[in-house]
Amino acid sequence: DQQVKQNSPSLSVQEGRISILNCDYTNSMFDYFLWYKKYPAEGPTFLISISSIKDKNEDGRFTVFLNKSAKHLSLHIVPSQPGDSAVYFCAASANQGAQKLVFGQGTRLTINP
Amino acid sequence: DSGVTQTPKHLITATGQRVTLRCSPRSGDLSVYWYQQSLDQGLQFLIQYYNGEERAKGNILERFSAQQFPDLHSELNLSSLELGDSALYFCASSVVFSNHYNEQFFGPGTRLTVL
Repeated sequence: DQQVKQNSPSLSVQEGRISILNCDYTNSMFDYFLWYKKYPAEGPTFLISISSIKDKNEDGRFTVFLNKSAKHLSLHIVPSQPGDSAVYFCAASANQGAQKLVFGQGTRLTINP
Repeated sequence: DSGVTQTPKHLITATGQRVTLRCSPRSGDLSVYWYQQSLDQGLQFLIQYYNGEERAKGNILERFSAQQFPDLHSELNLSSLELGDSALYFCASSVVFSNHYNEQFFGPGTRLTVL
């Protein structure tokens, strides 16, 4: 049972344009959502998060949108840069207090010059 | 650099053997998590420790065990290894406040290859 799904295994975007990565979840108990970025041979790096009481959180070039009714979140990167090329994982947890994270399968983002 | 360290970086061993993976959390973090990433898979939660005590368990096999020591470092023990245990094993740490959301910070991982 895949509770967090990233349906696009890969995405290719031109440098300077917007990258939009999508994530769907099924568990209505999830109340905290995170995006991680992963380069080869490194651990995931925390990027941005959002709690279920918000529908948008912005940090520089990165914005996460949460649509609770659709159980959908997305990560927008504007403008996209070559260094953004990596695998992006969506993750979710239930309850405050640092619970386990449930991860999606990841989306490989490639930024083309 | 997340501040979480893991050793060794790579481990190659044979089926039936036992290995120990080590993790040191970020300074000040009391909680440690272990995750497994198999080929082309997302990260799967294995187990969580908080200040020396087991807090939560995921799909961790009975052949696997973990502990967190008084200095807060953690070890993941994998025994009777099978080919399917070959994977990346990540450790993460976080502070834990019961009324806050807490992101987890990941180490660089240990790549285990079972031949």
